[in-house]
Amino acid sequence: QSALTQPRSVSGSPGQSVTISCTGTSSDVGGYNFVSWYQLHPGKAPKLMIYDVSKRPSGVPDRFSGSKSGNTASLTISGLQAEDEADYYCCSYAGTYILWVFGGGTKLTVL
Amino acid sequence: EVQLVESGGGLIQPGGSLRLSCAASGFTVSSNHMTWVRQAPGKGLEWVSILYTGGSTYSADSVKGRFTISRDNSKNTLYLQMNSLRADDTAVYYCARWFGAPGYFDYWGQGTLVTVSS
Repeated sequence: QSALTQPRSVSGSPGQSVTISCTGTSSDVGGYNFVSWYQLHPGKAPKLMIYDVSKRPSGVPDRFSGSKSGNTASLTISGLQAEDEADYYCCSYAGTYILWVFGGGTKLTVL
Repeated sequence: EVQLVESGGGLIQPGGSLRLSCAASGFTVSSNHMTWVRQAPGKGLEWVSILYTGGSTYSADSVKGRFTISRDNSKNTLYLQMNSLRADDTAVYYCARWFGAPGYFDYWGQGTLVTVSS
């Protein structure tokens, strides 16, 4: 069982918006503003989509946004496109002993 | 262009050893914190080990004492020596660069599959 809880799957039609939640505790998500999100396509290198809760690396479309409230972080993808179909994982810093914890992953299906 | 290419995965019997390699290009391994992250079949990601720029290392409890992370500066390559392998070590192993403080994983390789089975 992963430390952070994500829905196993979400779906949306092209052009719609979807939000993926990532729930942790006050020892990880709620305790630090260091949540990151990763996109995994089968057979490809994982890609950083969001870091420090809401910052986007260069090259990531502004359709991707991140936020946090309490112990829950969220990734929102607006204007869904077919190429967004992938698995998404959240990650949070969890202190100097554990370092990082990940979510179990969410499969996004673009209908 | 930053690129990470893992190799060395395969089928290994329980109790055996395997060494994974991660060849880097586009940046210098020794000037960056480097990590290994794994994904067991049907499971989420799990951080495994980190090698800091200063040379110190740290590993998750699940692999502590069995796995060793290291680097060869002349080859710009990161390694993961895995000993006393168990069935629950079966996973795709990714190397990733860790950036910032406390940071995030900004570049990843495509992964190499390790299967521990008799």
